[in-house]
Amino acid sequence: NAGVTQTPKFQVLKTGQSMTLQCAQDMNHNSMYWYRQDPGMGLRLIYYSASEGTTDKGEVPNGYNVSRLNKREFSLRLESAAPSQTSVYFCASSGTSGGDLVQYFGPGTRLTVT
Amino acid sequence: TQLLEQSPQFLSIQEGENLTVYCNSSSVFSSLQWYRQEPGEGPVLLVTVVTGGEVKKLKRLTFQFGDARKDSSLHITAAQPGDTGLYLCAGARTYKYIFGTGTRLKVLA
Repeated sequence: NAGVTQTPKFQVLKTGQSMTLQCAQDMNHNSMYWYRQDPGMGLRLIYYSASEGTTDKGEVPNGYNVSRLNKREFSLRLESAAPSQTSVYFCASSGTSGGDLVQYFGPGTRLTVT
Repeated sequence: TQLLEQSPQFLSIQEGENLTVYCNSSSVFSSLQWYRQEPGEGPVLLVTVVTGGEVKKLKRLTFQFGDARKDSSLHITAAQPGDTGLYLCAGARTYKYIFGTGTRLKVLA
């Protein structure tokens, strides 16, 4: 049981390059999320998918696209990277466990855009 | 717009001391969660509180949800160096979570 996995763990891009961050969960959760974490800004929601086949914008969606490939996988794409997108990106999934709402995070992707 | 304010932002205390971290909002949430995050890792869920006035205990940690479900507190009794980390609260609202800016706790041996 791996929980939430993310690839890659580290990435350096040049301005204008594109890349896709991959995320997968094995907990059969319906909801999945992409966040970014910047110093002093906390975690900010980029996009989320409440269930397979649906995606919605979060607080900071500009410059990103997402795909909910199936129930397990939720990818985040940067079409044309900008230095402002330098951040740590976390994928998460959410469901219920023992009647409680739970959210589990992946280990993060550290992205630097030069 | 930051809907969840955490205080204090930073806290450095000696081992054995007690502390309280606050999470405040002007908005109502269906539930509220607390996480701890260590450097280089993702946040780890500590607890979810759902009912106004609810109190949950996790060993030396006590979590309380405000009666109006707008605020919450985390109290640590007899802090230990292993409690060091970034504590985050998150309010849930219709499939989305709003995170506070965090409280960075350092417990000195």
